[in-house]
Amino acid sequence: LAKTTQPISMDSYEGQEVNITCSHNNIATNDYITWYQQFPSQGPRFIIQGYKTKVTNEVASLFIPADRKSSTLSLPRVSLSDTAVYYCLVGGSSNTGKLIFGQGTTLQVKP
Amino acid sequence: DTAVSQTPKYLVTQMGNDKSIKCEQNLGHDTMYWYKQDSKKFLKIMFSYNNKELIINETVPNRFSPKSPDKAHLNLHINSLELGDSAVYFCASSQLTSGGTYEQYFGPGTRLTVT
Repeated sequence: LAKTTQPISMDSYEGQEVNITCSHNNIATNDYITWYQQFPSQGPRFIIQGYKTKVTNEVASLFIPADRKSSTLSLPRVSLSDTAVYYCLVGGSSNTGKLIFGQGTTLQVKP
Repeated sequence: DTAVSQTPKYLVTQMGNDKSIKCEQNLGHDTMYWYKQDSKKFLKIMFSYNNKELIINETVPNRFSPKSPDKAHLNLHINSLELGDSAVYFCASSQLTSGGTYEQYFGPGTRLTVT
């Protein structure tokens, strides 16, 4: 499974847009890109998933360039409650559903 | 309604003891997982079961034995507990989506402390 690299931490202020970029140079042709969010003392929660171009849901947007070697999670107008760890993963299409979690990006939203 | 539940939420025990963590999902999913999250927050998969059959078994000491009595349950039994087993253990479940991928749903975690 492809390894991912993302910043260890990011700071932002309420109301700002936050973009977290993930590098996955060895992504395979059939790999999807998925982002999970984890609050303290809780299990990770699915945010968004995409294969190419742009995906948007009620929570976030995911931008994937044509070469798919990176992706950017965009959180519009963050609030204090968006403070969490965000994980970028690639894979998920195999019959095992195996996911490899990296170190994640700790996002701290300040008032 | 809780989708993936785990019991207990907290477990404090002494070295050498044997303990079990239970997991249940009411989502009708056919695949379940156990993950371990250590103090550095790294989340590592341990086991996965699909329709009660073991499909993923990472490099985990054989003191850890998962058991899946049915598709909705995946329990984790740990023998001869060691200090290094202290961590948060997460259960998860998933189902193949119409898009051909898996979305995993995680339980609230069980914080195991071995003294």
